[in-house]
Amino acid sequence: GDSVTQMEGPVTLSEEAFLTINCTYTATGYPSLFWYVQYPGEGLQLLLKATKADDKGSNKGFEATYRKETTSFHLEKGSVQVSDSAVYFCALSDNGGATNKLIFGTGTLLAVQP
Amino acid sequence: DSGVTQTPKHLITATGQRVTLRCSPRSGDLSVYWYQQSLDQGLQFLIQYYNGEERAKGNILERFSAQQFPDLHSELNLSSLELGDSALYFCASSPRGGDFAEAFFGQGTRLTVV
Repeated sequence: GDSVTQMEGPVTLSEEAFLTINCTYTATGYPSLFWYVQYPGEGLQLLLKATKADDKGSNKGFEATYRKETTSFHLEKGSVQVSDSAVYFCALSDNGGATNKLIFGTGTLLAVQP
Repeated sequence: DSGVTQTPKHLITATGQRVTLRCSPRSGDLSVYWYQQSLDQGLQFLIQYYNGEERAKGNILERFSAQQFPDLHSELNLSSLELGDSALYFCASSPRGGDFAEAFFGQGTRLTVV
């Protein structure tokens, strides 16, 4: 079945450092890809999305490009802030199926130190 | 604020008991999804309802059931509770059920079984 694999955390960075969180997927169809963020004590918030190959999703300085050839959707940010500390989830949704339920990776904890 | 409301925020109950979690989707959204987030299993899709009818089932135990009412709110019923059912239960909603649509998450209900 469809699945998402994320790099293990925690990831600890200093403020203004460059961030990459790796995400690869396995899917039989043509999924949409998402990054969700979960701040401490809160629900999941959609950070960015891409619906087809070569699409780039971006929001709040974060970017991710849908790479079909490498089945990847890595999250990047050029300069992280302490306020970016959270758990980041990569997810996919099966387009065109009977449901667009999300399949999540295990999540990656990011801790940014001042 | 995602527009998805979950109640209660916290619930502590004893093993063997039954509880009901409630979710009000965003105005106009027809699909409701339930997810369980636990330390050992991560984020797992449980079940989806679309406009009152069950659309998809995931890793939902037989002791668990859900329904979506005519006003589109949904309830997740958990019975014969076990210690391992302790988790964060999220509800999400989206406008449609089968084509691409991003999901908006509530803040979750934290269930503790003692």
